[in-house]
Amino acid sequence: QQQVKQSPQSLIVQKGGISIINCAYENTAFDYFPWYQQFPGKGPALLIAIRPDVSEKKEGRFTISFNKSAKQFSLHIMDSQPGDSATYFCAARLAGSARQLTFGSGTQLTVLP
Amino acid sequence: EAQVTQNPRYLITVTGKKLTVTCSQNMNHEYMSWYRQDPGLGLRQIYYSMNVEVTDKGDVPEGYKVSRKEKRNFPLILESPSPNQTSLYFCASSPVGLNQPQHFGDGTRLSIL
Repeated sequence: QQQVKQSPQSLIVQKGGISIINCAYENTAFDYFPWYQQFPGKGPALLIAIRPDVSEKKEGRFTISFNKSAKQFSLHIMDSQPGDSATYFCAARLAGSARQLTFGSGTQLTVLP
Repeated sequence: EAQVTQNPRYLITVTGKKLTVTCSQNMNHEYMSWYRQDPGLGLRQIYYSMNVEVTDKGDVPEGYKVSRKEKRNFPLILESPSPNQTSLYFCASSPVGLNQPQHFGDGTRLSIL
């Protein structure tokens, strides 16, 4: 049972374009939503995160949009660069849970030069 | 340098031959966790530990064991590996606390023949 559904599985974007990755969840007890970035041969690394009391968070070219009523959140990468080519995972944390994060299935982003 | 170190990075072995993947962190983190990463399934938690001598099952614990005798180390043990445990494994650590980012190792690719 996948508690966080991520789409698309893969995404190809031209340099300078906008990359959009979407995630949806069912459990309203999730209270923290991070995005992780993973390069080949490396472990995931935290990119940006948001709490459900905020509808948007921006850090440089990366923005999380959060829709609490729809139980959806998305990552937008503005002015996408070839160096952004990586696998992106959304995740969610259950409030009060010691188990930390439940991850989405991942999106492989390729930014063409 | 703050890091999570996994060994080995790659291992090819045969069914039934016990193996251990080591994980060590130098950040004095209380929380440590093991994940497996499979195509289309994202990262699934195997076991986690909140502190020394405190471990608990994640989503896919069958066929795995862990121990936490020291704060810095969290080995993953496959007593009798089977081909369905062929996967990419990640160890992660973080402080215990609200929304603390997890720090991941660079992964161990296991092939069980």
